[in-house]
Amino acid sequence: DTAVSQTPKYLVTQMGNDKSIKCEQNLGHDTMYWYKQDSKKFLKIMFSYNNKELIINETVPNRFSPKSPDKAHLNLHINSLELGDSAVYFCASSQESATGAGEAFFGQGTRLTVV
Amino acid sequence: AQSVTQLDSQVPVFEEAPVELRCNYSSSVSVYLFWYVQYPNQGLQLLLKYLSGSTLVKGINGFEAEFNKSQTSFHLRKPSVHISDTAEYFCAVSQRGKSTFGDGTTLTVKP
Repeated sequence: DTAVSQTPKYLVTQMGNDKSIKCEQNLGHDTMYWYKQDSKKFLKIMFSYNNKELIINETVPNRFSPKSPDKAHLNLHINSLELGDSAVYFCASSQESATGAGEAFFGQGTRLTVV
Repeated sequence: AQSVTQLDSQVPVFEEAPVELRCNYSSSVSVYLFWYVQYPNQGLQLLLKYLSGSTLVKGINGFEAEFNKSQTSFHLRKPSVHISDTAEYFCAVSQRGKSTFGDGTTLTVKP
């Protein structure tokens, strides 16, 4: 069983379209994340949810909207896609403790290409 | 605020040579420290972590790292690398609810 699974793995779409990426974790973790990795491999956190509640919302365009229907799922919806949105998007999960976040488990990534 | 600096963006090394990937961090409070590896076209996976206790941490695939609080460093080492160690390596710090990653170090192992 895959611990953190995200779909689709590849997504090619035209500018202006709206798309969603789905993520599910079966680890029982209480915290889930979305990261963006650009062409230079830089990894930047976009959002963090703890028990379905948004904790971190880094400076990303409001065209990006995360949705967490339950603790095991965190989906990413992107409106009006732009060329600059092309990147690899990673979902991850971890278990919070009183002093910090545990190790993060990552999905395989979704390579988004906007043409 | 916390930050992570990986001092080398690329490290080329010959097979069976030792390697050190350097990581410095800054934080106003105690943090957890991690090293992750990313093989081509894959997600990140944990190599090792420091939460507390012994400052020398051993991880998978023969890697180890040493936490140095006075120098705020967490350098990753391996005494003898293999071709299969070629990958991107990320150092990360974690506080409550947030992990911050360094910019990554590309390790290329040559035959």
